[in-house]
Amino acid sequence: GAVVSQHPSWVICKSGTSVKIECRSLDFQATTMFWYRQFPKQSLMLMATSNEGSKATYEQGVEKDKFLINHASLTLSTLTVTSAHPEDSSFYICSARSGGEVQPQHFGDGTRLSIL
Amino acid sequence: EDQVTQSPEALRLQEGESSSLNCSYTVSGLRGLFWYRQDPGKGPEFLFTLYSAGEEKEKERLKATLTKKESFLHITAPKPEDSATYLCAVRRGGGSEKLVFGKGTKLTVNP
Repeated sequence: GAVVSQHPSWVICKSGTSVKIECRSLDFQATTMFWYRQFPKQSLMLMATSNEGSKATYEQGVEKDKFLINHASLTLSTLTVTSAHPEDSSFYICSARSGGEVQPQHFGDGTRLSIL
Repeated sequence: EDQVTQSPEALRLQEGESSSLNCSYTVSGLRGLFWYRQDPGKGPEFLFTLYSAGEEKEKERLKATLTKKESFLHITAPKPEDSATYLCAVRRGGGSEKLVFGKGTKLTVNP
């Protein structure tokens, strides 16, 4: 149980394009979803938290106009990297949590984004 | 500011050689310490949640313990398939959803 699917698993695109990443909870309803970035040999860094039907809450230093988050249903959240540039290249990982705050977050397998 | 420090950064063990990984933390009002396993190119896989000092949890060859300042992940008689990066994260009190992660310990178990 508690399976989170993330798609695509890798993307290579040209600078200036927008990229959409999907995160789905397959066997549970995710009241809250999270988006992280991970650079090589670094910690996972939280970018934003989203609750179904509400605007996402972004961490300090994360541009909300660049990283658009939509949490339209209890099983789907999307992250759109708008006008991506090489410095946006990273490993993006989503997680989802059901029920109360004591429940753990379950992670997808991540999306490797490379901007040329 | 919440901080999580994991040590060592990397650990090489022979199959069957037991050891422990450390996670030291500083957080205001701990509302959970989480252990995850991460394989290369994959997302973290949930292992344990610990909530209060003295608590212990076990799963197969893994055992997690918690004190007021640190957590240990004990690996008993590891196998090559236990090779992975082990991540520790904490969540503070006060209604925050945020997990603060350490950089992880990369464990390699040689046959």
